[in-house]
Amino acid sequence: AQSVTQLDSQVPVFEEAPVELRCNYSSSVSVYLFWYVQYPNQGLQLLLKYLSGSTLVKGINGFEAEFNKSQTSFHLRKPSVHISDTAEYFCAVSDPYSSASKIIFGSGTRLSIRP
Amino acid sequence: GAVVSQHPSWVICKSGTSVKIECRSLDFQATTMFWYRQFPKQSLMLMATSNEGSKATYEQGVEKDKFLINHASLTLSTLTVTSAHPEDSSFYICSARDSGTEEETQYFGPGTRLLVL
Repeated sequence: AQSVTQLDSQVPVFEEAPVELRCNYSSSVSVYLFWYVQYPNQGLQLLLKYLSGSTLVKGINGFEAEFNKSQTSFHLRKPSVHISDTAEYFCAVSDPYSSASKIIFGSGTRLSIRP
Repeated sequence: GAVVSQHPSWVICKSGTSVKIECRSLDFQATTMFWYRQFPKQSLMLMATSNEGSKATYEQGVEKDKFLINHASLTLSTLTVTSAHPEDSSFYICSARDSGTEEETQYFGPGTRLLVL
Protein backbone atom coordinates (compact mmCIF):
# COMPACT_ATOMS: atom_id res chain seq x y z
CA ALA A 1 0.00 0.00 0.00
CA GLN A 2 1.12 3.51 -0.69
CA SER A 3 1.59 6.12 2.00
CA VAL A 4 2.94 9.63 2.33
CA THR A 5 4.74 11.14 5.30
CA GLN A 6 5.13 14.85 5.86
CA LEU A 7 7.50 15.09 8.78
CA ASP A 8 6.82 18.71 9.67
CA SER A 9 3.34 19.69 10.75
CA GLN A 10 4.31 23.36 10.93
CA VAL A 11 7.12 25.37 9.36
CA PRO A 12 7.59 29.00 10.39
CA VAL A 13 9.77 31.06 8.05
CA PHE A 14 10.67 34.71 7.74
CA GLU A 15 9.57 36.54 4.63
CA GLU A 16 12.06 36.34 1.73
CA ALA A 17 13.83 33.39 3.33
CA PRO A 18 14.09 30.03 1.54
CA VAL A 19 11.90 27.13 2.57
CA GLU A 20 11.83 23.37 2.16
CA LEU A 21 8.81 21.25 3.00
CA ARG A 22 9.67 17.60 3.35
CA CYS A 23 7.76 14.69 1.89
CA ASN A 24 8.63 11.00 1.87
CA TYR A 25 6.58 8.27 0.31
CA SER A 26 6.48 4.52 0.53
CA SER A 27 5.49 2.39 -2.41
CA SER A 28 6.62 -0.85 -3.94
CA VAL A 29 5.85 0.36 -7.45
CA SER A 30 6.31 3.47 -9.54
CA VAL A 31 4.41 6.50 -8.34
CA TYR A 32 2.97 9.77 -9.41
CA LEU A 33 3.68 12.55 -6.92
CA PHE A 34 1.89 15.82 -6.31
CA TRP A 35 2.03 18.91 -4.14
CA TYR A 36 -1.19 20.77 -3.45
CA VAL A 37 -1.74 24.04 -1.58
CA GLN A 38 -4.82 24.88 0.45
CA TYR A 39 -5.53 28.45 1.47
CA PRO A 40 -7.84 29.00 4.47
CA ASN A 41 -11.40 27.81 3.89
CA GLN A 42 -10.69 26.88 0.30
CA GLY A 43 -10.24 23.75 -1.77
CA LEU A 44 -6.94 22.44 -3.07
CA GLN A 45 -4.86 23.91 -5.86
CA LEU A 46 -2.24 21.90 -7.70
CA LEU A 47 1.26 23.36 -7.26
CA LEU A 48 3.20 20.81 -9.28
CA LYS A 49 3.37 17.15 -10.16
CA TYR A 50 5.87 14.47 -11.11
CA LEU A 51 4.69 11.82 -13.54
CA SER A 52 7.93 10.87 -15.32
CA GLY A 53 10.98 12.39 -16.95
CA SER A 54 13.04 15.12 -15.33
CA THR A 55 13.30 14.70 -11.59
CA LEU A 56 13.24 18.46 -10.99
CA VAL A 57 9.73 19.75 -11.38
CA LYS A 58 8.82 23.41 -11.49
CA GLY A 59 5.38 24.56 -10.47
CA ILE A 60 3.37 27.69 -9.96
CA ASN A 61 4.18 30.57 -7.61
CA GLY A 62 7.93 29.90 -7.81
CA PHE A 63 7.81 26.47 -6.17
CA GLU A 64 9.81 23.47 -7.31
CA ALA A 65 10.27 19.91 -6.12
CA GLU A 66 12.78 17.17 -6.77
CA PHE A 67 11.91 13.51 -7.10
CA ASN A 68 14.56 11.36 -5.44
CA LYS A 69 13.85 7.69 -6.02
CA SER A 70 16.70 6.38 -3.89
CA GLN A 71 15.54 8.40 -0.89
CA THR A 72 11.85 8.06 -1.76
CA SER A 73 11.45 11.78 -1.29
CA PHE A 74 9.70 14.63 -3.07
CA HIS A 75 10.63 17.75 -1.10
CA LEU A 76 9.09 21.09 -2.01
CA ARG A 77 11.26 24.19 -2.16
CA LYS A 78 11.02 27.90 -2.76
CA PRO A 79 14.07 30.20 -2.71
CA SER A 80 12.25 33.23 -1.30
CA VAL A 81 8.83 33.10 0.32
CA HIS A 82 6.18 35.78 0.48
CA ILE A 83 3.46 36.48 3.02
CA SER A 84 0.93 35.22 0.49
CA ASP A 85 2.52 31.75 0.63
CA THR A 86 1.00 31.23 4.07
CA ALA A 87 -1.15 28.13 3.62
CA GLU A 88 -1.39 24.40 4.20
CA TYR A 89 0.66 22.25 1.83
CA PHE A 90 -0.16 18.64 1.06
CA CYS A 91 2.07 16.08 -0.57
CA ALA A 92 0.22 13.27 -2.35
CA VAL A 93 0.89 10.05 -4.23
CA SER A 94 -1.00 7.90 -6.67
CA ASP A 95 -0.37 4.60 -8.42
CA PRO A 96 0.10 5.05 -12.19
CA TYR A 97 -0.90 1.44 -12.82
CA SER A 98 -4.17 1.67 -10.97
CA SER A 99 -7.32 2.33 -12.94
CA ALA A 100 -8.85 3.84 -9.86
CA SER A 101 -6.57 6.91 -9.94
CA LYS A 102 -6.89 7.35 -6.18
CA ILE A 103 -4.71 9.97 -4.54
CA ILE A 104 -3.35 9.41 -1.04
CA PHE A 105 -2.56 12.59 0.88
CA GLY A 106 0.00 13.31 3.53
CA SER A 107 -0.99 14.92 6.81
CA GLY A 108 -0.09 18.39 5.60
CA THR A 109 2.43 21.06 6.56
CA ARG A 110 1.29 24.48 7.67
CA LEU A 111 3.63 27.13 6.30
CA SER A 112 3.50 30.38 8.22
CA ILE A 113 5.44 33.37 6.98
CA ARG A 114 6.64 35.99 9.44
CA PRO A 115 7.28 39.56 8.29
CA GLY B 1 -7.98 25.60 -16.99
CA ALA B 2 -10.16 22.85 -15.62
CA VAL B 3 -12.71 24.08 -13.10
CA VAL B 4 -14.71 22.12 -10.57
CA SER B 5 -17.54 23.71 -8.65
CA GLN B 6 -19.38 22.62 -5.53
CA HIS B 7 -22.76 23.66 -4.26
CA PRO B 8 -23.55 24.74 -1.66
CA SER B 9 -20.35 26.24 -0.31
CA TRP B 10 -21.67 25.90 3.21
CA VAL B 11 -24.74 24.45 4.85
CA ILE B 12 -26.16 24.31 8.35
CA CYS B 13 -28.79 21.69 9.09
CA LYS B 14 -30.59 20.08 11.99
CA SER B 15 -29.64 16.65 13.22
CA GLY B 16 -31.59 13.94 11.42
CA THR B 17 -32.02 15.78 8.14
CA SER B 18 -30.38 14.89 4.84
CA VAL B 19 -28.05 17.18 2.94
CA LYS B 20 -27.12 16.97 -0.74
CA ILE B 21 -23.84 18.35 -2.05
CA GLU B 22 -23.23 18.78 -5.78
CA CYS B 23 -19.91 18.55 -7.57
CA ARG B 24 -19.70 19.73 -11.17
CA SER B 25 -16.90 19.73 -13.72
CA LEU B 26 -17.53 22.95 -15.64
CA ASP B 27 -15.35 22.66 -18.73
CA PHE B 28 -14.51 18.98 -19.02
CA GLN B 29 -16.10 15.59 -18.72
CA ALA B 30 -15.33 13.38 -15.77
CA THR B 31 -16.22 9.70 -15.70
CA THR B 32 -14.55 9.54 -12.31
CA MET B 33 -14.97 11.90 -9.40
CA PHE B 34 -13.76 11.58 -5.84
CA TRP B 35 -15.25 12.64 -2.52
CA TYR B 36 -13.08 13.58 0.44
CA ARG B 37 -13.76 14.83 3.93
CA GLN B 38 -11.42 16.98 5.94
CA PHE B 39 -11.65 17.59 9.67
CA PRO B 40 -10.16 20.78 11.13
CA LYS B 41 -6.37 20.89 10.89
CA GLN B 42 -6.25 17.43 9.33
CA SER B 43 -5.58 15.99 5.92
CA LEU B 44 -8.07 14.90 3.30
CA MET B 45 -9.47 11.44 3.68
CA LEU B 46 -10.85 9.74 0.60
CA MET B 47 -14.42 8.62 1.21
CA ALA B 48 -15.41 7.17 -2.14
CA THR B 49 -14.79 7.08 -5.85
CA SER B 50 -17.78 8.09 -7.92
CA ASN B 51 -18.13 6.37 -11.30
CA GLU B 52 -20.45 7.69 -13.98
CA GLY B 53 -23.22 5.24 -14.71
CA SER B 54 -22.23 2.73 -12.05
CA LYS B 55 -22.04 2.29 -8.31
CA ALA B 56 -19.56 4.24 -6.27
CA THR B 57 -16.60 2.52 -4.66
CA TYR B 58 -16.38 3.28 -0.96
CA GLU B 59 -13.26 3.28 1.17
CA GLN B 60 -13.05 1.01 4.17
CA GLY B 61 -15.00 2.36 7.11
CA VAL B 62 -17.26 4.65 5.08
CA GLU B 63 -20.95 3.77 5.34
CA LYS B 64 -22.42 3.61 1.85
CA ASP B 65 -25.98 3.87 3.17
CA LYS B 66 -25.15 7.05 5.02
CA PHE B 67 -23.16 8.74 2.29
CA LEU B 68 -25.13 8.20 -0.90
CA ILE B 69 -23.30 8.99 -4.12
CA ASN B 70 -24.90 9.45 -7.51
CA HIS B 71 -22.95 10.13 -10.68
CA ALA B 72 -25.71 10.49 -13.23
CA SER B 73 -23.86 12.46 -15.88
CA LEU B 74 -20.33 13.10 -17.08
CA THR B 75 -20.24 16.46 -15.33
CA LEU B 76 -22.16 15.93 -12.09
CA SER B 77 -21.74 13.85 -8.97
CA THR B 78 -23.79 14.29 -5.82
CA LEU B 79 -23.08 13.28 -2.25
CA THR B 80 -26.06 12.99 0.08
CA VAL B 81 -25.40 12.80 3.78
CA THR B 82 -28.47 11.00 5.10
CA SER B 83 -29.78 11.50 8.63
CA ALA B 84 -26.91 13.81 9.42
CA HIS B 85 -25.56 14.01 12.95
CA PRO B 86 -23.14 16.48 14.58
CA GLU B 87 -20.22 14.09 14.04
CA ASP B 88 -20.81 14.43 10.28
CA SER B 89 -19.89 18.10 10.50
CA SER B 90 -16.85 18.50 8.30
CA PHE B 91 -15.41 20.04 5.15
CA TYR B 92 -16.37 17.94 2.14
CA ILE B 93 -14.26 18.31 -1.00
CA CYS B 94 -14.75 16.69 -4.37
CA SER B 95 -12.30 16.26 -7.21
CA ALA B 96 -12.61 15.22 -10.82
CA ARG B 97 -10.29 13.71 -13.37
CA ASP B 98 -10.54 14.83 -17.00
CA SER B 99 -11.74 11.81 -18.99
CA GLY B 100 -10.62 13.34 -22.25
CA THR B 101 -6.93 13.25 -21.48
CA GLU B 102 -4.28 10.85 -20.26
CA GLU B 103 -3.53 13.33 -17.49
CA GLU B 104 -3.54 11.97 -13.96
CA THR B 105 -4.27 15.35 -12.49
CA GLN B 106 -7.32 15.68 -10.30
CA TYR B 107 -9.00 19.07 -10.13
CA PHE B 108 -10.50 19.97 -6.80
CA GLY B 109 -13.65 21.84 -5.97
CA PRO B 110 -13.68 24.68 -3.42
CA GLY B 111 -15.28 22.48 -0.76
CA THR B 112 -18.55 22.45 1.16
CA ARG B 113 -18.58 23.13 4.86
CA LEU B 114 -21.30 21.19 6.65
CA LEU B 115 -22.40 22.00 10.17
CA VAL B 116 -24.96 19.73 11.78
CA LEU B 117 -26.64 21.13 14.87
